Amino acid sequence: SAVISQKPSRDICQRGTSLTIQCQVDSQVTMMFWYRQQPGQSLTLIATANQGSEATYESGFVIDKFPISRPNLTFSTLTVSNMSPEDSSIYLCSVEGEQAQETQYFGPGTRLLVL
Amino acid sequence: QQQVKQSPQSLIVQKGGISIINCAYENTAFDYFPWYQQFPGKGPALLIAIRPDVSEKKEGRFTISFNKSAKQFSLHIMDSQPGDSATYFCAAEDSSYKLIFGSGTRLLVRP
Repeated sequence: SAVISQKPSRDICQRGTSLTIQCQVDSQVTMMFWYRQQPGQSLTLIATANQGSEATYESGFVIDKFPISRPNLTFSTLTVSNMSPEDSSIYLCSVEGEQAQETQYFGPGTRLLVL
Repeated sequence: QQQVKQSPQSLIVQKGGISIINCAYENTAFDYFPWYQQFPGKGPALLIAIRPDVSEKKEGRFTISFNKSAKQFSLHIMDSQPGDSATYFCAAEDSSYKLIFGSGTRLLVRP
């Protein structure tokens, strides 16, 4: 499976500011995904990021709040904009498996606390 | 229709016992059903997965049972160990590779 790293691993931010989270994969992948995991909760898909195209956002998530970049097949960023305490969550990126029809593998996550 | 319902919310099992977690779905378009294990401070790790054309899959102490007609699937952890204490998520994936997660089960295995 792919090795996925995320930066930063954790951060504490002030409300109204923005944070950009980086996701790096050690192999080329077509599909990358960004999820949010609120404290003690399950994972919710924010958007799907394919290289060379605009990210596709899920219901309840908008590009102005969570802009995503996907400049190449090994890297993506998610920005959490104009943060509020409600944005305090773990943000995870994932990638498709290497084998056909294989499920997703997750990075270690970025733990965000907004004060 | 996009939901995956998971139960129980929490589970306490004695060492050596069997842990059973259940999930149910509605959307028949789902065609892949993985289970993830998550330890505190870590990302979810793929544990085992099954496709709907198979009724059971076993990998070591972990077994998925799948009932396509009932749209239910379950994870059995045999000979549960304290190191298995974690949060377990079932999920369902459709042809667009989107994963819909269950609400999670916190498993505690007592020594």
